[in-house]
Amino acid sequence: DAGVIQSPRHEVTEMGQEVTLRCKPISGHNSLFWYRQTMMRGLELLIYFNNNVPIDDSGMPEDRFSAKMPNASFSTLKIQPSEPRDSAVYFCASSFAGPGNTIYFGEGSWLTVV
Amino acid sequence: AQSVTQLDSQVPVFEEAPVELRCNYSSSVSVYLFWYVQYPNQGLQLLLKYLSGSTLVKGINGFEAEFNKSQTSFHLRKPSVHISDTAEYFCAVEDSGYSTLTFGKGTMLLVSP
Repeated sequence: DAGVIQSPRHEVTEMGQEVTLRCKPISGHNSLFWYRQTMMRGLELLIYFNNNVPIDDSGMPEDRFSAKMPNASFSTLKIQPSEPRDSAVYFCASSFAGPGNTIYFGEGSWLTVV
Repeated sequence: AQSVTQLDSQVPVFEEAPVELRCNYSSSVSVYLFWYVQYPNQGLQLLLKYLSGSTLVKGINGFEAEFNKSQTSFHLRKPSVHISDTAEYFCAVEDSGYSTLTFGKGTMLLVSP
């Protein structure tokens, strides 16, 4: 079975440009998560969707970040405008909603903003 | 909010030696606990999880972890490590009622010949 699929795997962009990261969760999963990983802060939850509805976006850094889930099989994380401090690995993950269920991670999108 | 502390940022060890990676969590309620592994340039993969029942949990690749409620710990162990175990290991706690995970900062396990 295909796992969580993220694109692009690597992106280098200039400061001020718009960045869109994409995610296809595992088929049938109804929870989707966006995490950011940096050396300084480790793994941080940015936003959590359940049944395509954002449940908790308290981790979204600021208004430059936005996330959407238009349907059960697709989500985007957008940064506009991007800044060098946004450089990080962005992980999408999915699961069946429910306590103790395993969360499955994608391979990550490695973003560098220069 | 719950938090997870991984006391060691790096653990160097020789091949075939035993290893313990330490994890402590803060919570006043029942929790679910997880260990994930991240190999270089890859995503996170579940090693094992504790939900209830036996406090000794066995996972993949010969790893096991012991839940200790009184010490709020969930240490990961392996009796004999391989070079291929070189990776970063993350302890995580599930936030009550949310199904989301709060992660520790990670422990880099470095296995040398």
